[in-house]
Formats: sequence, structure tokens, C-alpha cells
Amino acid sequence: ELKVEQNPLFLSMQEGKNYTIYCNYSTTSDRLYWYRQDPGKSLESLFVLLSNGAVKQEGRLMASLDTKARLSTLHITAAVHDLSATYFCAVEANFGNEKLTFGTGTRLTIIP
Amino acid sequence: DVKVTQSSRYLVKRTGEKVFLECVQDMDHENMFWYRQDPGLGLRLIYFSYDVKMKEKGDIPEGYSVSREKKERFSLILESASTNQTSMYLCASSLTDVNEKLFFGSGTQLSVL
Repeated sequence: ELKVEQNPLFLSMQEGKNYTIYCNYSTTSDRLYWYRQDPGKSLESLFVLLSNGAVKQEGRLMASLDTKARLSTLHITAAVHDLSATYFCAVEANFGNEKLTFGTGTRLTIIP
Repeated sequence: DVKVTQSSRYLVKRTGEKVFLECVQDMDHENMFWYRQDPGLGLRLIYFSYDVKMKEKGDIPEGYSVSREKKERFSLILESASTNQTSMYLCASSLTDVNEKLFFGSGTQLSVL
């Protein structure tokens, strides 16, 4: 059974600081997704990582994938308040049926 | 823009009632999914469907069933609602393609009293 773990579960950080959210998963996969959820809203896709070494960046967020370590990171650079949200990673196991297993989420709060 | 529409934002039902949650997508996606979201547990897959009249169990199908009579519509059914089914329910859809991601609806917060 595929398990996906995120840490930390809660993160409170000051504006302007850098931090990293980690996503570990338990079985072989080369497809990993990051989503953002604002309070009371649905999930919005951020990044799709499809191979070992993949790196995607948008604004102050950068995601990377190491399939050998079964690890993805979401790095936040010079955080701003607008980035406050819950971030989920999701993994598709390598049997190609499009089914995603989600992590428990990281609730990020940026303090002015 | 892809649109995944869930018919109700909030629902309050009584224990034992039969509950229907409806989801419609307008992008001709083959795949549709129902997840439930609970604090501390993330999203858990209930059922999914690759095509009309096809369905597959997810990780937590007990107490639920689904129906997909048309490509654009995927319904989640709680045959006899129980209090432990109080949750946020999220519908999603996707194309069958290596680069495609899930598109989510806005969610239905179901309370079973």
C-alpha cells in the first residue's frame, strides 16, 4: 500500500524567510503532484513532476523530485503572506491507473 | 477553463437517510474521482471511474456507492448515512494522459446528524 507522508504538518514562518516542505512516499513512483488549498476552497494544482530530477518553479515556490530517495520538496523563497495555505503532495503509484494518494497536508501560515 | 461543479456546497442530513452528491465536469474528461477530506488525514479516495458505467473502488469505499451514467456526471451515494460520514467531499476529474493533473470541484461539506 502506497503511503505518503508530509512534514511538517504545521508551519508558521515570518515573511521574507525561506523554508522547505518535505514529501516522502513508500513505493516506486515517478509522478508527483503538488496542490494548494486556501481555507474554505478547493484544491488548485501547482506542479506536476514526472521524472527523477524534475524541478519546477513558479514565483516563490520551487518543487523538486528525487525518485531514488522517494522524496519531493517544495521550497518557499522569501515568503509573503499570500502564500498562507495548506499544501498537499500526491503520488501516483507506478501501475498507471491515474489514481493519486495524497499526503496529510502542510498548513503554512506566513506571519507579517 | 476546466470546470468541475458540485451541486451543493453544504448539506445537512439525518442518520439513515440516503444521500446523493452530484458532480459534473465540462471538459470531456474520461476520469472522475470522489475523495473525502478530513482534518489530519488529508484526502482519501472513495471511488473512481475511467469511463461511463465503469467504477473502481478506492481506499475507503465502505458505505458508499457511485454511478456514472453519462461521461460528464459522477454521483456519490451514501445508502444509509452515518455520523462518521460527516466530512468534506471533493470531486475531481482528469484526462488520461501522462501530463494531466486532477481538477477539483469546490467541495461539499456534509454533516450527518
